[in-house]
Amino acid sequence: GAGVSQTPSNKVTEKGKYVELRCDPISGHTALYWYRQSLGQGPEFLIYFQGTGAADDSGLPNDRFFAVRPEGSVSTLKIQRTERGDSAVYLCASSLSPGTGETQYFGPGTRLLVL
Amino acid sequence: ILNVEQSPQSLHVQEGDSTNFTCSFPSSNFYALHWYRWETAKSPEALFVMTLNGDEKKKGRISATLNTKEGYSYLYIKGSQPEDSATYLCAPSPSSASKIIFGSGTRLSIRP
Repeated sequence: GAGVSQTPSNKVTEKGKYVELRCDPISGHTALYWYRQSLGQGPEFLIYFQGTGAADDSGLPNDRFFAVRPEGSVSTLKIQRTERGDSAVYLCASSLSPGTGETQYFGPGTRLLVL
Repeated sequence: ILNVEQSPQSLHVQEGDSTNFTCSFPSSNFYALHWYRWETAKSPEALFVMTLNGDEKKKGRISATLNTKEGYSYLYIKGSQPEDSATYLCAPSPSSASKIIFGSGTRLSIRP
């Protein structure tokens, strides 16, 4: 079946602009996660959804970052007033159900470059 | 917050040789340990999830062990092949959350 998809695959924007990154999870997966990977580091947790609600948003770096999942499927990560330090690969993952022992299946990521 | 360390940071191995690398994490506040393989321009691929002390998992030529009491996991690759070239990420899950905490990874390169 189809895996996790993310669009766009690459995004170049200017400092101060607004961007939206989209994630389509595997059909039927109730849990959805966003991570960010900066150069030379492992992916860093941002936010986790169970259904439509954000169950844990402790990883969002500041209030410029916001994510939604209005129908419990597709999710959008929104970044306002982008800064050069936001440049990274943004990864989305989904799992069949929540729980630390569940396998998370990742998408290919969106490479964001803020000039 | 879990402090995850992976070593070595990078590794160059001759094709056909076997290799292994290490992930260490605090033994307290632990629930599960994930291993992922991430090839350039692809999605991170789940290899194993382990939860019990002494767990051993195997997938083809790749295997992993888990020691939750001392806080480490080993990943082994037997008879390395060029397609094994990737970054291998270790990611423990704290018991209190569904998020996983990634290490910086071990970048493996196989020389033909």
